Formats: sequence, structure tokens, C-alpha cells
Amino acid sequence: EVQLVESGGGLVQPGGSLRLSCAVSRFTFSSYSMNWVRQAPGRGLEWVSYISSSSDTIYYADSVKGRFTISRDNAKNSLYLQMNSLRAEDTAVYYCAREVGGFEYWGQGTLVTVSS
Amino acid sequence: DIQMTQSPSSLSASVGDRVTITCRASQSISRYLNWYQQKPGKAPKLLIYAASSLQSGVPSRFSGSGSGTDFTLTISSLQPEDFATYYCQQSYSTPYTFGQGTELEIK
Repeated sequence: EVQLVESGGGLVQPGGSLRLSCAVSRFTFSSYSMNWVRQAPGRGLEWVSYISSSSDTIYYADSVKGRFTISRDNAKNSLYLQMNSLRAEDTAVYYCAREVGGFEYWGQGTLVTVSS
Repeated sequence: DIQMTQSPSSLSASVGDRVTITCRASQSISRYLNWYQQKPGKAPKLLIYAASSLQSGVPSRFSGSGSGTDFTLTISSLQPEDFATYYCQQSYSTPYTFGQGTELEIK
């Protein structure tokens, strides 16, 4: 069965940085576009970023543009999200998701808490 | 950005009821509309993609319809495991956007 496992979340001070990872297995990672989606505590879903299968197309939500960087390593079956200049409003569970039409498969999420 | 508006925001229903949730886009999105179910502490689960296509493994009591700006998710006969929060999402253009969610509660 397809698996996506996020890691790298934790507590960070405002202005700090974190790098999230999403390790995938049981599918051909290099064939699929991937996304990051986040959910603040008690709130709805917010799309964060998209990367195409070959990394030639990347998009960001305005709320993270210039601060977050999405990347992937197809040889390592891994997706990344480098998060810099973190703010309190970035506190959320971050999910990676495989896109085929909709977000077909999701990881379990990793919690990022931005607080002093 | 395309705004997605769901209604109602919350809904109380009983097992066996037929339930409809609506989603409206601020501009035409053709049929690029997806529906998700989320239970507390869990990742969302894709139910319907491209407005009306049932994701593999999803029970046939779930159905979707619509095109352009107006869409619906229907659960034909509610089961106990269906009580959850439902989100619509447009995949027509980035930034991809979600509706605010509909919380389906047991009456």
C-alpha cells in the first residue's frame, strides 16, 4: 500500500527555521506531482505548495511565498519543505499529499509549533 | 484566488438519513472539484474527484455532482462512520483552495 511519512516537525521560535521531510514508498515517486497542505489547530485545510514530478513547476500560497521552499529528491523518494522566517500563524499540522486529480494519498502529518 | 464556499457549516443528521452538502466556487472551475472526509486527528481522505468520480474503495452511498460553480456531495444513507468533517477543494488553478468545511454531527 502507498505510504507517505512526514517528519521534521517540532517547536521553533518565531523567526526560526525547520525542514520537513516526506518519505514515500510503494509507488513510483518520480511519476507524481506532490503537495504540502497544512491545518492550523481547530481550523480548516490550507494548501501550501505544489511541485511537479520533475521539479520543473513549483507553486506557493501567498502566505508562504518567499519564506518556504519545496523540493524533492526522486532518487531518495523524498519530498521536502524548507520553512524559514517562521511565524506564529505557521503553527499547524503539515501534510504531504500525492496529487492525481485530487489529493489521492496523504501522510499522517507532522506538527509544527511556532512559539517563544 | 478562487474562493470556495460550503454550506451548511454544520449539520445534524441521523443514521439512515440522506444528506447533501453544497459547495460554490467564486468563478467557474469546470469539473475540477474534489471532496474529502476528515475525522478528528486523522488526515483527510479523498472521496470524490473531478466532481463526480468515486475514489477507489469509497462506498457507493457517496456521490458528487455539479459543474461550473455549483457542486454537491450527497450521502444517500448515513452510516455511523460517516460522521466527520467534509471539505470541498478546487484543483482548477493554484492556489488550490478548500471550502471552510461542513461538520456532520449525530442528531
